Amino acid sequence: NAGVTQTPKFQVLKTGQSMTLQCAQDMNHNSMYWYRQDPGMGLRLIYYSASEGTTDKGEVPNGYNVSRLNKREFSLRLESAAPSQTSVYFCAGRQSPNTGELFFGEGSRLTVL
Amino acid sequence: TQLLEQSPQFLSIQEGENLTVYCNSSSVFSSLQWYRQEPGEGPVLLVTVVTGGEVKKLKRLTFQFGDARKDSSLHITAAQPGDTGLYLCAGGTYSGAGSYQLTFGKGTKLSVIP
Repeated sequence: NAGVTQTPKFQVLKTGQSMTLQCAQDMNHNSMYWYRQDPGMGLRLIYYSASEGTTDKGEVPNGYNVSRLNKREFSLRLESAAPSQTSVYFCAGRQSPNTGELFFGEGSRLTVL
Repeated sequence: TQLLEQSPQFLSIQEGENLTVYCNSSSVFSSLQWYRQEPGEGPVLLVTVVTGGEVKKLKRLTFQFGDARKDSSLHITAAQPGDTGLYLCAGGTYSGAGSYQLTFGKGTKLSVIP
């Protein structure tokens, strides 16, 4: 079982470059989430998709866009990367949007120079 | 915005010692989850507590949800090196739109020295 798979695991960008983080799950999750984790800041929600076809902003959405491509896939795009977006990004899935355990991917470490 | 304060932020103890990690808020939560995260990996759920005053045990780990559902604690008995990691609490609430949101604490980084 792959669970929640994120690609790439590591990426270095220059300021102003764009990139997309990919996330795919094979756990039949209805809801999917993107978080960023920074030292001393904990996990902060960027965007989420409660179900296929819907997306909503989280706590820190500025500078990001998302696409729920289908039930399995939820991508996070940085259109013009900034050094403040240097972070570790985690994708997570959940069976129901209203309760239950979050299953996380292994993370994608992004450095913006 | 609901805030969850975790303490201590860092904890380094010898193998065999006991420890308690705290998660406090001024807000009421519908449920409280504890996750453990190891370096280079995503967080993994340890437990969910939903009832005020609830106590759950997972081998040497004991979790308690406060009576008012504003705080929680994690107690580890006879810590082992395998307990080393980042412990995160997360409080769940329903938003005005009816969706369920999790707010994470900043974490407690535990090191158990052999």
